[in-house]
Amino acid sequence: AQSVSQHNHHVILSEAASLELGCNYSYGGTVNLFWYVQYPGQHLQLLLKYFSGDPLVKGIKGFEAEFIKSKFSFNLRKPSVQWSDTAEYFCAAYGGSQGNLIFGKGTKLSVKP
Amino acid sequence: DAMVIQNPRYQVTQFGKPVTLSCSQTLNHNVMYWYQQKSSQAPKLLFHYYDKDFNNEADTPDNFQSRRPNTSFCFLDIRSPGLGDTAMYLCATSRETGTTVTDTQYFGPGTRLTVL
Repeated sequence: AQSVSQHNHHVILSEAASLELGCNYSYGGTVNLFWYVQYPGQHLQLLLKYFSGDPLVKGIKGFEAEFIKSKFSFNLRKPSVQWSDTAEYFCAAYGGSQGNLIFGKGTKLSVKP
Repeated sequence: DAMVIQNPRYQVTQFGKPVTLSCSQTLNHNVMYWYQQKSSQAPKLLFHYYDKDFNNEADTPDNFQSRRPNTSFCFLDIRSPGLGDTAMYLCATSRETGTTVTDTQYFGPGTRLTVL
């Protein structure tokens, strides 16, 4: 069965530090990948998505993610985080026979001012 | 200009007392989904509607039912809530389902349900 793994449960950074959140998926075929963000008390919002083409995807608020097929990875990056980036980040994937969006368990990011 | 609206935002019910959560959308999307998200866990798909076709996940308890009277509205009915059903319930929509560029899901703010 398809699965999505996020390596870090909780990441704590100071403002201006660089961010990389890991995401790995298990399916080997065509896969569509997403990063969603959930700010405290708010709904899930789409940060970025990859369907095909350039494996480096740019999203909102300065986030980007790189699809590396050989590593089954879709890591999220931001060169310099801000306090307002404090949120929970979910990686998700469509693919395979399931046809459902499968979420990782999420990574909570805390940015210290 | 909210696109996916859920009501109520917070709901408290008693053990065994039926509860209905509602979701509406202004996107005219074909597909509507219900997810359950427990604390510190990933959203878990309960079921979805593609137009009027209902698709239940294999491990969704029978206690959870859904209705979609029209394109815009979808309801989640919990017939006899248990303490373990305390969670955030998320509604989402997408234009299509599968692996096409129209499959991006848009989420509502969720209903936080507490079962006492």
